[in-house]
Order: sequence, then C-alpha cells, then structure tokens
Amino acid sequence: ETGVTQSPTHLIKTRGQQVTLRCSSQSGHNTVSWYQQALGQGPQFIFQYYREEENGRGNFPPRFSGLQFPNYSSELNVNALELDDSALYLCASSFPGRFVEQFFGPGTRLTVL
Amino acid sequence: RKEVEQDPGPFNVPEGATVAFNCTYSNSASQSFFWYRQDCRKEPKLLMSVYSSGNEDGRFTAQLNRASQYISLLIRDSKLSDSATYLCVVNSFSGGYNKLIFGAGTRLAVHP
Repeated sequence: ETGVTQSPTHLIKTRGQQVTLRCSSQSGHNTVSWYQQALGQGPQFIFQYYREEENGRGNFPPRFSGLQFPNYSSELNVNALELDDSALYLCASSFPGRFVEQFFGPGTRLTVL
Repeated sequence: RKEVEQDPGPFNVPEGATVAFNCTYSNSASQSFFWYRQDCRKEPKLLMSVYSSGNEDGRFTAQLNRASQYISLLIRDSKLSDSATYLCVVNSFSGGYNKLIFGAGTRLAVHP
C-alpha cells in the first residue's frame, strides 16, 4: 500500500455539473500531482501543488483547479463538466526532494453523462 | 508527435515466453526513466527505474539508449500474473518543476 487514499472511488455526474475529488497523502509528502487517465491512454499531467501552491500545470483549461492543505490532503475541482472529462483521476505524492519516487492513490473513476 | 511513444500492443504470449517492449521519448534533456505496471482499473505502480547501464530485477531487464532516446523492457519466462499494461514513463523538468510523462501503455496478456 502506498498510503495515498482518494475519495470517492466512483462518481457519476451530468454535463455542466461541478465535481470535487479528494486525495490524502502520506505524512511528510509536500508535493502532490494530479493526473487524468482516459480509457486506453496513459495518465496525463493536470497540475502539481507544492506547499499549498500550484507550481506547475499541464495542458488543461482553467475549469480544472485544485487546492492543497497543510494536512497533506488535496482537492481537484472540475467545473462545467464535459463528456470528455470521463476518466480515472489519479493523485500522486512524494517526499521533499524525491519527486521521482511518486506514490499513486487508487484513483477516482468519474463518468460524465 | 507524442512525448513518449510505445508499441501499441496488445501482446498475447504463452507462459514461459520472452517478450520485449519498446519506447521512444522526444525530449533529449530528460534525465529519469521508468517502467510502471498498471493492472486493469487500478493505479500505476512503479515496476523499475531505467539506467543507462541497464538494470535487471529478476525476470525483468530494462535498457536505456540516450543517443537513440529509446527505452526497452524485457520480460523473461512470462507468468500469467505478468498480464497487465506496461507504461513507459519519463520525468520532465521544465518551468521549475518535475512532472511524469506517460506513454499510452502496452497491454500484455499471458495465456496458459
């Protein structure tokens, strides 16, 4: 087990709605990254948070936003959901200075109808 | 062109077979390379890091050719439990932060 948890495990939403996904990292992991994995594809980097601030972002629109909290938990928020947002959303965290060793959570599977 | 490209698969092999996966990456400045394994509907898990000198972990051997920007994974004596998707991953440092760039994955199915 990686010690990284995510909630909920599955979620069904309709187009136009908003969703919040949650991730709880291991104690001491000050960096968290979020990825989107569409069916049949590899995970795509959404953004990264370090010490509660976004410090890197992939090619995703502003309706994808996030938060990181002092207790090593984080959130991914998606507004105005589109059908193509249906995917597995993964968070991954790492210890300070050891980014390349990322620990993935089990993911949240989001279905947008 | 995708930053990380892999053999499309799927690879269907009998138990005991040797199978090789290939991967190419586009950013010559990349420094760290990995193979991850992902079981159906599960999260990716690190299988092994890949070094220029090549590295081996039991039945698994990974190779890196920086000049050709090519990464490989060899699995010997395939087991049923090796059935999974294998993701080639490159660490990219750009804009002051690191991120992992994943290939689309190659699916392996080992049959009796």
